Amino acid sequence: QVQLQESGPGLVKPSQTLSLTCTVSGGSISSGSYYWSWIRQPAGKGLEWIGRIYSSGSTNYNPSLKSRVTISVDTSKNQFSLKLSSVTAADTAVYYCARGARIAVAGTNGYYFDYWGQGTLVTVSS
Amino acid sequence: SSELTQDPAVSVALGQTVRVTCQGDSLRVYYASWYQQKPGQAPVLVINGKNNRPSGIPDRFSGSGSGNTASLTITGAQAEDEADYYCNSRDSRGNHFVFGTGTKVTVL
Repeated sequence: QVQLQESGPGLVKPSQTLSLTCTVSGGSISSGSYYWSWIRQPAGKGLEWIGRIYSSGSTNYNPSLKSRVTISVDTSKNQFSLKLSSVTAADTAVYYCARGARIAVAGTNGYYFDYWGQGTLVTVSS
Repeated sequence: SSELTQDPAVSVALGQTVRVTCQGDSLRVYYASWYQQKPGQAPVLVINGKNNRPSGIPDRFSGSGSGNTASLTITGAQAEDEADYYCNSRDSRGNHFVFGTGTKVTVL
């Protein structure tokens, strides 16, 4: 059973960089054609996809956050990480890491997140 | 980027059927996936692909789609199905993903 666990500071000052790590257990981050994503959710609001990384290091980011986001992977530690720079109060949210995959049915692709971490609350405040 | 629009809230009587819809241009190209989220918990995948349920998801959950609309149907809703439901799809215009606005399902 794959498990994901987020870790990192719960409080970040405005204008600083938010840094989180997701540790994957129960399977190798390098196995299969999976991708590894960060997703966030402000209190009382919906889910927002931040970005993804493959074990090869290839990344894609949400266009609205792209200028501030860096996702990296450390296959030796079975971890991937998120850095979000120049944070403001609007970046206060529960941050989730998740495993993503693709399914093809009748010539059409679908993408999904099948394993999620429990989430970690990051508050941006001085 | 593309948007995925959902009704903010729907209600269903216990044991009845409810449909949650998700609209967006990307759904003409990609299947949606659906997630159930209960208060204070991480989302849980309930439907992926055309209509695939992960192991452990009750068969009262089903998915369908046509044109720019994807639907999640709960047939015989139970009290434990009361939750927020989100759709998700890859954006048809790039290598990124978008979540729907979310639907709160209340079981009466």
